[in-house]
Amino acid sequence: LAKTTQPISMDSYEGQEVNITCSHNNIATNDYITWYQQFPSQGPRFIIQGYKTKVTNEVASLFIPADRKSSTLSLPRVSLSDTAVYYCLVGGRYSSASKIIFGSGTRLSIRP
Amino acid sequence: DADVTQTPRNRITKTGKRIMLECSQTKGHDRMYWYRQDPGLGLRLIYYSFDVKDINKGEISDGYSVSRQAQAKFSLSLESAIPNQTALYFCATSDLALEREGTDTQYFGPGTRLTVL
Repeated sequence: LAKTTQPISMDSYEGQEVNITCSHNNIATNDYITWYQQFPSQGPRFIIQGYKTKVTNEVASLFIPADRKSSTLSLPRVSLSDTAVYYCLVGGRYSSASKIIFGSGTRLSIRP
Repeated sequence: DADVTQTPRNRITKTGKRIMLECSQTKGHDRMYWYRQDPGLGLRLIYYSFDVKDINKGEISDGYSVSRQAQAKFSLSLESAIPNQTALYFCATSDLALEREGTDTQYFGPGTRLTVL
């Protein structure tokens, strides 16, 4: 079971770049790394997924080093609306759903 | 995601009552999930279903049961509600066949806030 470790909370300011790191030391060869975002009283929403190196979409970038034991979600030029909880998940394409765990996430607070 | 709906959105009930939470989806996904979220905590998986005839227990299935009535419907029941089941409940759907690689993206409903007195 690939457990993940993230900071409990982070603070930043509008316009800054925010990097949230997730540790997953026992990630398996077939595992992917996925990040979700959750606003208060809403369900989580998919942000980005990657396997290695760098993935970028219109919302964020995901950096994964060669050993894949950690990953970093990068949010460029954050705004107040980026205040949310961010979850890092690790799992393979055919992993049992019970092995893909949301955990407690990182609570990101953006200030003016 | 408006394609995943949950009813009711809020429910207050008493200890010992039977409660059913319903989830419907119009996304045509095969997989459906029920999660529970307690204040300040992450989501914990209660049950999941990969098709109509497939039901699996998650991390915290005790005290809960589910029914997959059709591909589009997945219900969660609390046979005899207790106060520590007070939480926010989310339904989610996914479809691995839609992903060329990687794991399937889960699409969540708006949640049901359940209070057991």
